[in-house]
Amino acid sequence: GAVVSQHPSWVICKSGTSVKIECRSLDFQATTMFWYRQFPKQSLMLMATSNEGSKATYEQGVEKDKFLINHASLTLSTLTVTSAHPEDSSFYICSAWDSSPYEQYFGPGTRLTVT
Amino acid sequence: GQQLNQSPQSMFIQEGEDVSMNCTSSSIFNTWLWYKQDPGEGPVLLIALYKAGELTSNGRLTAQFGITRKDSFLNISASIPSDVGIYFCAGSTGNQFYFGTGTSLTVIP
Repeated sequence: GAVVSQHPSWVICKSGTSVKIECRSLDFQATTMFWYRQFPKQSLMLMATSNEGSKATYEQGVEKDKFLINHASLTLSTLTVTSAHPEDSSFYICSAWDSSPYEQYFGPGTRLTVT
Repeated sequence: GQQLNQSPQSMFIQEGEDVSMNCTSSSIFNTWLWYKQDPGEGPVLLIALYKAGELTSNGRLTAQFGITRKDSFLNISASIPSDVGIYFCAGSTGNQFYFGTGTSLTVIP
């Protein structure tokens, strides 16, 4: 299947700083990428849908000014957590949508810990 | 967003036993997907289903796209310890995906 990478896989930062997470589709072009957040023992919570060349669509309750998403190319989307706080600590997972076939492939996730 | 009803929530089974889990929705989907997630990892696609009634296998895994297009089933035969993980279903209408609540599987050697 298609491969999606995420970087970094684990990051620890201090409260108030910003963190950027990269999501890349390695062997296919993804016009649409998704960003999820996952808490322990819970399902994936969609944060936003990222479309190449346009503004991301955020789910209700997700602060777009706090979670900045940029999808500058067909293989790269970035999520920047601005002014991170301890409650932002979570597992962030991106996915890329391959429209042929209609399948979604996930990255390995990024564990964010804000101290 | 919408979440699909997935059951059971968790399962504890003996190695060698078969496993069944299902996913239901109030909405019709064009595609059903099943994923497995290991701790600290992203979900990995196991099986994708595209037609109502479709039955697809991937090794010891078999999944079916319900006739009503509102449900799907995943079966694992002769479970082994490495089957441990969380299994998620996902329904797609095209460019939108909705995930199940997950089934946590524990296989006891």
